[in-house]
Amino acid sequence: GQNIDQPTEMTATEGAIVQINCTYQTSGFNGLFWYQQHAGEAPTFLSYNVLDGLEEKGRFSSFLSRSKGYSYLLLKELQMKDSASYLCAVSAQTGANNLFFGTGTRLTVIP
Amino acid sequence: DSGVTQTPKHLITATGQRVTLRCSPRSGDLSVYWYQQSLDQGLQFLIQYYNGEERAKGNILERFSAQQFPDLHSELNLSSLELGDSALYFCASSPVETDSRETQYFGPGTRLLVL
Repeated sequence: GQNIDQPTEMTATEGAIVQINCTYQTSGFNGLFWYQQHAGEAPTFLSYNVLDGLEEKGRFSSFLSRSKGYSYLLLKELQMKDSASYLCAVSAQTGANNLFFGTGTRLTVIP
Repeated sequence: DSGVTQTPKHLITATGQRVTLRCSPRSGDLSVYWYQQSLDQGLQFLIQYYNGEERAKGNILERFSAQQFPDLHSELNLSSLELGDSALYFCASSPVETDSRETQYFGPGTRLLVL
């Protein structure tokens, strides 16, 4: 089976940096995605990692360690609009690229 | 706007009924995925179609079925509905069949409430 773990909730202050961790145990691995989802809305793509290391994209960065089954999403210079759920998802199935999602981390940014 | 459309946006029905959810992928995308998101659970993969053929199956109940038509739109049929089927149902699309580097683009979802 597939197991993807994230913290349920986090709170951080506007302007600060927050790191959201994700650990996974899957039967295969074709890449790890991070999505942002505002309440009641569709998930939107943030980042993709398939090789070990850090991928930086503006205020958001994502890190992957395949040997540890670990990833994190780093959000810098937090803004109020960053309050949302952040979903870690793994593409784990050979011959398909459906995603297995964690339950998501609800981030609340406070002034 | 991801370019993926889903109808209806909201659906209220009773237990035992059958409903059909519709999805139109982004222009040019051949793969369609269906996901279910319940309140206390993450997104659960249900099924994937590629160019009209079923490609992968997840935790889809036997009461649920899907298909992808020649024009690439897809429908998810939910029958003998139960209270626990109340959830957000998302459709996503991507251009390819198996290349995970291609991200999936999610539609706005259909919120199903079973009373």
